[in-house]
Amino acid sequence: SAVISQKPSRDICQRGTSLTIQCQVDSQVTMMFWYRQQPGQSLTLIATANQGSEATYESGFVIDKFPISRPNLTFSTLTVSNMSPEDSSIYLCSAEKQQNTEAFFGQGTRLTVV
Amino acid sequence: AQTVTQSQPEMSVQEAETVTLSCTYDTSESDYYLFWYKQPPSRQMILVIRQEAYKQQNATENRFSVNFQKAAKSFSLKISDSQLGDAAMYFCAYRTLNAGNNRKLIWGLGTSLAVNP
Repeated sequence: SAVISQKPSRDICQRGTSLTIQCQVDSQVTMMFWYRQQPGQSLTLIATANQGSEATYESGFVIDKFPISRPNLTFSTLTVSNMSPEDSSIYLCSAEKQQNTEAFFGQGTRLTVV
Repeated sequence: AQTVTQSQPEMSVQEAETVTLSCTYDTSESDYYLFWYKQPPSRQMILVIRQEAYKQQNATENRFSVNFQKAAKSFSLKISDSQLGDAAMYFCAYRTLNAGNNRKLIWGLGTSLAVNP
């Protein structure tokens, strides 16, 4: 298994600003993912964070709005840029240690944009 | 494209009783993984159980077991001797066995389980 530390756990931000969420894994992992989840709803994949290359974004998500970094095999960041109230949500990072194994999750970041 | 359907938005069970959460999926693949995840109010997504499609034997994990019906594309979760700590949102998820970048999980909409004392 892997332990994922995600920070911050929650934040309240002003519209127009940006927030960077960090995800640190306690061991090397092959894959890292970023999700958005509205309270009480399912998960929506934002992107796959690729080590050493640009992230792979899902339909409806773009790099300018959600820039992602993954400088090594244990760390990734997601930035929510130029925030609006519609960006208020829970953001989750997940990781997989090896191919075809289960995904592990961080504790999530509850973001409120006012 | 694969889809995952959880037809029960909400369920409830009495403490110490047994409850079954349903999940169906659609795929044209023969090899894949299925998962049940639990998300309590703390938001931490926790793996409950995993099933490889090529295994005929149903996976079990202590009080949690699955009824995997591959032909029917059904993957239900049974929770025995329910405890108050089992109260959470439960998500069913599918993933292809294929290598490459298309290894994302396909998620159901979730079932909210309440456990009554």
